[in-house]
Amino acid sequence: DGGITQSPKYLFRKEGQNVTLSCEQNLNHDAMYWYRQDPGQGLRLIYYSQIVNDFQKGDIAEGYSVSREKKESFPLTVTSAQKNPTAFYLCASSIMFAGRREQYFGPGTRLTVT
Amino acid sequence: AQKVTQAQTEISVVEKEDVTLDCVYETRDTTYYLFWYKQPPSGELVFLIRRNSFDEQNEISGRYSWNFQKSTSSFNFTITASQVVDSAVYFCALSVSNFGNEKLTFGTGTRLTIIP
Repeated sequence: DGGITQSPKYLFRKEGQNVTLSCEQNLNHDAMYWYRQDPGQGLRLIYYSQIVNDFQKGDIAEGYSVSREKKESFPLTVTSAQKNPTAFYLCASSIMFAGRREQYFGPGTRLTVT
Repeated sequence: AQKVTQAQTEISVVEKEDVTLDCVYETRDTTYYLFWYKQPPSGELVFLIRRNSFDEQNEISGRYSWNFQKSTSSFNFTITASQVVDSAVYFCALSVSNFGNEKLTFGTGTRLTIIP
């Protein structure tokens, strides 16, 4: 089955620790994205990557880092510099086809930092 | 800058009633794309529809229909004969694509509850 995998579903960390969220896709999509969702708010873009070894900051990149060493993987590290890391994190991927690009989302990881 | 407004934070209707979710967008670009996504309690966003700025035809898919009006910058979503399975948070989103450099701007979502 093709799709986007995010693991784990729930993640708990102590304040001051870095934590890496996994995102893998086997859809052969070229672009990948990370979003953050807070209660009662829409999704906000953290980082995105259109090709391997290249990525761009989104609207709220501070306190986060990413890598794109492989086409199918786009891990997100939430660093201790992120002031409010507790949130729901969604990964997405997309591919250009016939002039159209639609983002497909993974199941999300709910991160709780205490 | 792009902006999407979903003024309805929460809506509750009794099963089998029709319900319309409002979406108003702002952009200065003439080429843009509008989307609706459904987020069930499991959390995953499910793609429902994509519409480009040059296509103002309304679309119907089963019980779902979408009304795109450029004159009022609105892209409203109607569910006919609602069912309990329709209960979810629905997001409207806007993209101004440069064919490779696409960023989605989301509204804050509307939580729809269908009462059995």
